[in-house]
Amino acid sequence: QSVLTQPPSASGTPGQRVTISCSGSNSNIGFNTVKWYQQFPGAAPKLLIHNNDQRPSGVPYRFSGSKSGTSASLAISGLQSEDEADYHCAAWDESLNGWVFGGGTKLTVL
Amino acid sequence: QVQLQESGPGLVKPSQTLSLTCTVSGGSINSGAYYWTWIRQHPGEGLEWIGYIYYSGTTYYNPSLKSRLSISLDTSKNQFSLRLSSVTAADTAVFYCARSNRALRDAFDIWGQGTTVTVSS
Repeated sequence: QSVLTQPPSASGTPGQRVTISCSGSNSNIGFNTVKWYQQFPGAAPKLLIHNNDQRPSGVPYRFSGSKSGTSASLAISGLQSEDEADYHCAAWDESLNGWVFGGGTKLTVL
Repeated sequence: QVQLQESGPGLVKPSQTLSLTCTVSGGSINSGAYYWTWIRQHPGEGLEWIGYIYYSGTTYYNPSLKSRLSISLDTSKNQFSLRLSSVTAADTAVFYCARSNRALRDAFDIWGQGTTVTVSS
């Protein structure tokens, strides 16, 4: 059971906009910034979003992050087939004194 | 550019100690800008933070693993290591080493490719 809650799956058609939610509590998302990671099958995760809404160099503009209260969201606009992957959210938890992750969301491009 | 590479046995017997090493190339591990991190992923599941170590040697461990865990640095070899004792089948996972970048609010910005460790007799 993950500390952060994500839907196990999401889907969309090419060109569509999809959002993936990440729900936490006051001790993690409510207090600290959220990161998002993209992971293709058999590969290591890759940093997609840091500091709630900041994209590292090289990450396309169509990936965006937001945070409100104890929840965060990752939005992908202009969905492409190559976006089919697992997406994980993460935040530092003040109560557990460690990093916590969501269970991951498998995005399918129909 | 900085790269991380995990190494170690792929098979460990129950009750024994799992030992992995992460070799950092393209940059020095002896930097106050980063935490050197271990993360694992059980088959078909999400990610689990194991712990990390600062260049000073200060460690931060997942409370659920703390009693069995040790992370250390070898600055002469530009490596950091993980030791997890008394392993069981529940420790079977893909283990990743990663760099936590303080400039990015400690985001894990560089990852190793991962190494699969199976606990079985």
